[in-house]
Amino acid sequence: GAGVSQSPRYKVAKRGQDVALRCDPISGHVSLFWYQQALGQGPEFLTYFQNEAQLDKSGLPSDRFFAERPEGSVSTLKIQRTQQEDSAVYLCASSYAGGSYEQYFGPGTRLTVT
Amino acid sequence: AQTVTQSQPEMSVQEAETVTLSCTYDTSENNYYLFWYKQPPSRQMILVIRQEAYKQQNATENRFSVNFQKAAKSFSLKISDSQLGDTAMYFCALPLGSSNTGKLIFGQGTTLQVKP
Repeated sequence: GAGVSQSPRYKVAKRGQDVALRCDPISGHVSLFWYQQALGQGPEFLTYFQNEAQLDKSGLPSDRFFAERPEGSVSTLKIQRTQQEDSAVYLCASSYAGGSYEQYFGPGTRLTVT
Repeated sequence: AQTVTQSQPEMSVQEAETVTLSCTYDTSENNYYLFWYKQPPSRQMILVIRQEAYKQQNATENRFSVNFQKAAKSFSLKISDSQLGDTAMYFCALPLGSSNTGKLIFGQGTTLQVKP
């Protein structure tokens, strides 16, 4: 079946604009994760969903970041009033369940804030 | 606090030879999993190998194996018979907090170049 998809693949935003990044996980996967990856660095955890419930948002860097997964499948990460420091690749991953299950990653959305 | 450290930013190896990537970590959890993920250039991150901390036997997946030393909190990845397709950035990862959620903390990564 299809893997995790993300859209758009690339996004350029002017500072102060709002952006929305979409993630389509693998069908049937309960857990969904968002990570932020700076250039040349490892991904950093942002938030985690189990079905439609956002169980952990401790990694969101500010209240400008908001994520949702209203029907327990597609998820959207929204960044309001973008700043230059928000420039990064945003990775989405899904897994059958949490714990030790393998996480399947999407290709990421590269966000550049000018 | 949980940490994952990869002290080798870049490594290179000749095709068909063996290379070992290092990873050390710190956690107060007793039961946990450790992972190595591979991120090829401009491609998606994929799982290479997984180790359960309560298992003494080192995990092996074809040409990939780990040397897991729980007391030393060390988790290195050995790639045998390196192939050009192994060129990628490799990340060591540990569950953040309880292992139940699956959210991961990643190391800084090691960029591996396999040379023909």
